Amino acid sequence: DIQMTQSPSSLSASVGDTVAILCRASESIGSYVNWYQHKPGKAPKLLIYAASALHSRVPSRFIGSESGTNFTLTINNLQPEDFATYYCQQSYSSRLTFGGGTKVEIK
Amino acid sequence: EVLLEESGGGLVKPGGSLRLSCAASGFTFSSYTMNWVRQAPGKGLEWVSSITSYSSFIHYADSVRGRFTISRDNAKNSLYLQINSLRVEDTAVYYCARLFSSSPPLGLDYWGLGTLVTVAS
Repeated sequence: DIQMTQSPSSLSASVGDTVAILCRASESIGSYVNWYQHKPGKAPKLLIYAASALHSRVPSRFIGSESGTNFTLTINNLQPEDFATYYCQQSYSSRLTFGGGTKVEIK
Repeated sequence: EVLLEESGGGLVKPGGSLRLSCAASGFTFSSYTMNWVRQAPGKGLEWVSSITSYSSFIHYADSVRGRFTISRDNAKNSLYLQINSLRVEDTAVYYCARLFSSSPPLGLDYWGLGTLVTVAS
């Protein structure tokens, strides 16, 4: 299976900050990476698909980028509603795999 | 409005079985690949299984292969997960989720709120 190594596992930030979350794939997967936001008791929400495409109704402060097998989710101007856990996921293989998650907490 | 609603979770003893269901509405169910994803307490998301629109292709995570069976009934707009030989480590919230596009394969764009399966003696 394709492994997705996500870092950091947690970070603390303040409202208005810019944060970056990294995901590294264990092999070449093209641009087949998606990013999700998950809050306790809620359904996960698709933010970014195909590495950099913004899903509908997702604010433009969420930006996805890629370089080889490294993928980054950047959140600009962090808002109170952005404190959550974020996951990357590859869809290159039919056997989908997720990264371990990054919990974004309020400093 | 796209809605996915899971049901069928509960408390079961190790070795037991459950059948999870996911009722879909608000979209043409038969056009989409559907998935089950789970989250164990304090852990991250783990993909479990997928089934293509007319059940032509089915895939499982290694952790559940041979014990779990995914199926669907397009006439009833429903997705199922039969889970047998349950283990304590199968304790999790189980989500059903729609694959945005199968070709190319994109993200999971709609999810249910999940159903909790607890395996304990």
